[in-house]
Amino acid sequence: GAVVSQHPSRVICKSGTSVKIECRSLDFQATTMFWYRQFPKQSLMLMATSNEGSKATYEQGVEKDKFLINHASLTLSTLTVTSAHPEDSSFYICSARAGTGAQFGQGTRLTVV
Amino acid sequence: QKEVEQNSGPLSVPEGAIASLNCTYSDRVSQSFFWYRQYSGKSPELIMSIYSNGDKEDGRFTAQLNKASQYVSLLIRDSQPSDSATYLCAFPPRGFGNEKLTFGTGTRLTIIP
Repeated sequence: GAVVSQHPSRVICKSGTSVKIECRSLDFQATTMFWYRQFPKQSLMLMATSNEGSKATYEQGVEKDKFLINHASLTLSTLTVTSAHPEDSSFYICSARAGTGAQFGQGTRLTVV
Repeated sequence: QKEVEQNSGPLSVPEGAIASLNCTYSDRVSQSFFWYRQYSGKSPELIMSIYSNGDKEDGRFTAQLNKASQYVSLLIRDSQPSDSATYLCAFPPRGFGNEKLTFGTGTRLTIIP
């Protein structure tokens, strides 16, 4: 079946540094991918829609200059958290359409210390 | 009114019993609904989708949809300890396909051996 691979699965970074998270569709092409964020004991909240070859669309309240999204190919989208702060610590999950529904990556646990 | 509301739980059910999870939504235009299961620290995995009014059964799982009441539920029969997880209902927001989802807050289910 369709697989979405996300890397890294866990990352710890210092406050003020940037972290890049990759989301790959392994056996299918994804012109659109989605980035979600999940804080502890809360649900998934959509952050942005990543569009291959064009600018990402951000949800209300999400800072586009802080969460940089690049979707340069049909199989790869990246999310860069710039100048990370402890409040950015969260579980970040990407997804892509595969068949009739969303296929999720494994998620990335980001801890900013 | 929140777009998607779920009974927040936690819900504890004895092994072998039926677990009942409920979700109400506010968007009357919604045409498709999904139930995801999420184990702690993992990304969500799709367990059921339902598009028409009535019941849909898949193994031990039954999804029930009532569009007039804007209500969707998930029944888990013969509950097993491995069913212990958080269950999220989700649907696409108005104008979007099944890959972009609005999630409920989730119901944490614990199956007691």
